[in-house]
Amino acid sequence: EAGVAQSPRYKIIEKRQSVAFWCNPISGHATLYWYQQILGQGPKLLIQFQNNGVVDDSQLPKDRFSAERLKGVDSTLKIQPAKLEDSAVYLCASSPRGGTMETQYFGPGTRLLVL
Amino acid sequence: DAKTTQPPSMDCAEGRAANLPCNHSTISGNEYVYWYRQIHSQGPQYIIHGLKNNETNEMASLIITEDRKSSTLILPHATLRDTAVYYCIVMIRDDKIIFGKGTRLHILP
Repeated sequence: EAGVAQSPRYKIIEKRQSVAFWCNPISGHATLYWYQQILGQGPKLLIQFQNNGVVDDSQLPKDRFSAERLKGVDSTLKIQPAKLEDSAVYLCASSPRGGTMETQYFGPGTRLLVL
Repeated sequence: DAKTTQPPSMDCAEGRAANLPCNHSTISGNEYVYWYRQIHSQGPQYIIHGLKNNETNEMASLIITEDRKSSTLILPHATLRDTAVYYCIVMIRDDKIIFGKGTRLHILP
């Protein structure tokens, strides 16, 4: 079974530029998550989708971050404009509908450096 | 905020058992203890979880004290591939995961 795919794996941009990350979840997984992991800290949930609807986006900085999951499959996370403090690894995860935490699978992440 | 306390780092000799402690003194009756690990440059990986009873699977064992205020993750025969950050998380099942800083485990050859 293929895992969660993310691209790009690395991205370097200057502050105030825009950037987008892509995630392809495990086939058939209804729930998709985006996490932000700052160096030395654990991942923090940014947004959770159930199919193409948002379940929880309470931690998403909506003035600069946006996410969408068209057709309930792939998802993109965008930052516009980026700030220095956005430098982090952005992790995507997916789980089946009705799945529990032990069935949440993470992708390898996209490492973002904002200069 | 994370509801658990873990040592920031630990060392363990290869082939020995690695015992990772976790304190969760404010755990509620319906909260589970979950363990995840994150190997360098990878996403977190589920290891094991439990409510009250001790649990064992192919990766590890989880020992939860009778008062449920602390637990220990045991990797019975640690290998170099077990070098990772280990996260102990207390949560209601199906709730969102709140990660702390975890324990950085170094397996020494």
